[in-house]
Amino acid sequence: KNQVEQSPQSLIILEGKNCTLQCNYTVSPFSNLRWYKQDTGRGPVSLTIMTFSENTKSNGRYTATLDADTKQSSLHITASQLSDSASYICVVQPFSGGYNKLIFGAGTRLAVHP
Amino acid sequence: DSGVTQTPKHLITATGQRVTLRCSPRSGDLSVYWYQQSLDQGLQFLIQYYNGEERAKGNILERFSAQQFPDLHSELNLSSLELGDSALYFCASSVRGGGAGNEQFFGPGTRLTVL
Repeated sequence: KNQVEQSPQSLIILEGKNCTLQCNYTVSPFSNLRWYKQDTGRGPVSLTIMTFSENTKSNGRYTATLDADTKQSSLHITASQLSDSASYICVVQPFSGGYNKLIFGAGTRLAVHP
Repeated sequence: DSGVTQTPKHLITATGQRVTLRCSPRSGDLSVYWYQQSLDQGLQFLIQYYNGEERAKGNILERFSAQQFPDLHSELNLSSLELGDSALYFCASSVRGGGAGNEQFFGPGTRLTVL
């Protein structure tokens, strides 16, 4: 069964600190891996999209890495801000002949404290 | 603001009832997707429409149905509601119907509470 597992489930850090969120997946073959940020009660917003051939992608203070051999991805947040408090969701798109079904992880809930 | 609109924002109803959720995609987007997010759960893909036709189906119950109209807005109909249907329902849209990197833009969601 195709799965996307994220860790930790939740994380508390102090403002200004860095953190790294993990994503392990079993989806194979896959087309691309995405990271979304979801504020409480809001829709997810895309942070990065990486194809299977890319191993890093940055978006401001967010840097995603991908190791297709070990089927692992990470999202590194630098110099955290209070507004980074949200759920971060790892999403894998299977290579499934053109359909666009995405497989979502359960997310990591990040709280940034002053 | 993603450009995807959903109405209503909140909906409270009773078990056994039927409700309709509405979604307007971003201008120019032909695909609409519906997702369900239960409390502390990940998003579950329900169904996708592309230019008026059903393109892909996920974990959608038989009590649920959807359609996409000629003006590309979409409606998700939920009937014979049960307590377990209480969730956030998100709509997303994209330009294409599929393919690598086809980015989806999510609406703000409709929070459904079944009492």
